[in-house]
Amino acid sequence: NAGVTQTPKFQVLKTGQSMTLQCAQDMNHEYMSWYRQDPGMGLRLIHYSVGAGITDQGEVPNGYNVSRSTTEDFPLRLLSAAPSQTSVYFCASSDRGLDGNTIYFGEGSWLTVV
Amino acid sequence: GIQVEQSPPDLILQEGANSTLRCNFSDSVNNLQWFHQNPWGQLINLFYIPSGTKQNGRLSATTVATERYSLLYISSSQTTDSGVYFCAGASGGYNKLIFGAGTRLAVHP
Repeated sequence: NAGVTQTPKFQVLKTGQSMTLQCAQDMNHEYMSWYRQDPGMGLRLIHYSVGAGITDQGEVPNGYNVSRSTTEDFPLRLLSAAPSQTSVYFCASSDRGLDGNTIYFGEGSWLTVV
Repeated sequence: GIQVEQSPPDLILQEGANSTLRCNFSDSVNNLQWFHQNPWGQLINLFYIPSGTKQNGRLSATTVATERYSLLYISSSQTTDSGVYFCAGASGGYNKLIFGAGTRLAVHP
């Protein structure tokens, strides 16, 4: 049981390039989400999904696209990278269980845009 | 939207000391969670606690939903407790969590 797996762990992009951050979970969770964390700050929600085929915007969605074709996978696409998107990105998943909506995070993806 | 305020922003402890971290919400939440981010960046869920009190080893948390705040207690702190503690809340039926800025804890031997 791997939990939430993110790839790549580290990436350097040039301004204007596009890329996809991959996220996969093996817990059969309905809910998945992407957050970004900037230095000295808490996490901010980018996009989320409540099930396959259903996605919606969070607090800071501009410049990012998502899709959810399967329960397991929730990739985050940067359309045209900008230096303001330099951040640490976390994927998370959760489901309703006896303990409520406990959320599990991946290990993070460090992205630098130059 | 909901605003989350955490205090104190920084905390330095000697090993063995106790501490209380506080989280205030600007509006009611029905989903409140505490997380620990270790020095390597890993985020671990500590508690899902929209109301009431829970305990897990040396950690416990209390949420007073009617007064829109939550407390995290750390007893007999250890160096491995160092890192950043975040609280986050959401209203509605999904984990659209809004995070506070965190409390940075350093525990010295």
